[in-house]
Amino acid sequence: GDSVTQMEGPVTLSEEACLTINCTYTATGYPSLFWYVQYPGEGLQLLLKATKADDKGSNKGFEATYRKETTSFHLEKGSVQVSDSAVYFCALSLYSGGSNYKLTFGKGTLLTVNP
Amino acid sequence: NAGVTQTPKFRILKIGQSMTLQCTQDMNHNYMYWYRQDPGMGLKLIYYSVGAGITDKGEVPNGYNVSRSTTEDFPLRLELAAPSQTSVYFCASSYHAAALGNTIYFGEGSWLTVV
Repeated sequence: GDSVTQMEGPVTLSEEACLTINCTYTATGYPSLFWYVQYPGEGLQLLLKATKADDKGSNKGFEATYRKETTSFHLEKGSVQVSDSAVYFCALSLYSGGSNYKLTFGKGTLLTVNP
Repeated sequence: NAGVTQTPKFRILKIGQSMTLQCTQDMNHNYMYWYRQDPGMGLKLIYYSVGAGITDKGEVPNGYNVSRSTTEDFPLRLELAAPSQTSVYFCASSYHAAALGNTIYFGEGSWLTVV
């Protein structure tokens, strides 16, 4: 079945360090890909998305490129801040006809950024 | 901007009790969803709805029921609560299917403990 695998955390970085959180997927069709972020005590918020191969999603200094050949959607940021501390979820969404759809989340990666 | 509002935020239930988690959205979204998030895990879809009067099961529907009498409201009913239902519950909505690349908006979550 469809699935998302993302690197296990927790990830601890110092401020201004580079961040990469790996995400790979398996899917039977052509999914849309998402990164969601969950700050402590809050619901999930969409961080960025890409709907077709080679698209790059970007927001708040984060980027991810939809790589069909490697079935990957790695999240990157060149210089993290303390305020980026959160749990990051990779997700895919696939339409399977009629009113059927499925959104599949990875297990999440906890990022802690220290000053 | 209210967005997706869910209540209550915290609740402790005894085994065998029943309760309803309320969810309402003011964005005129067609699609609504209920997810649960267990510690260290991604989100699992409980039920979803593609419009008023239409609901369908997600990955983990057992022990839950939903209704969608209006576009705005999508309550989740827990019958005969069990410790396995201890979790954080998120209501969400989107205008069109997330599979088509549409953004899902999440509520802030409801922390439920069954003792």
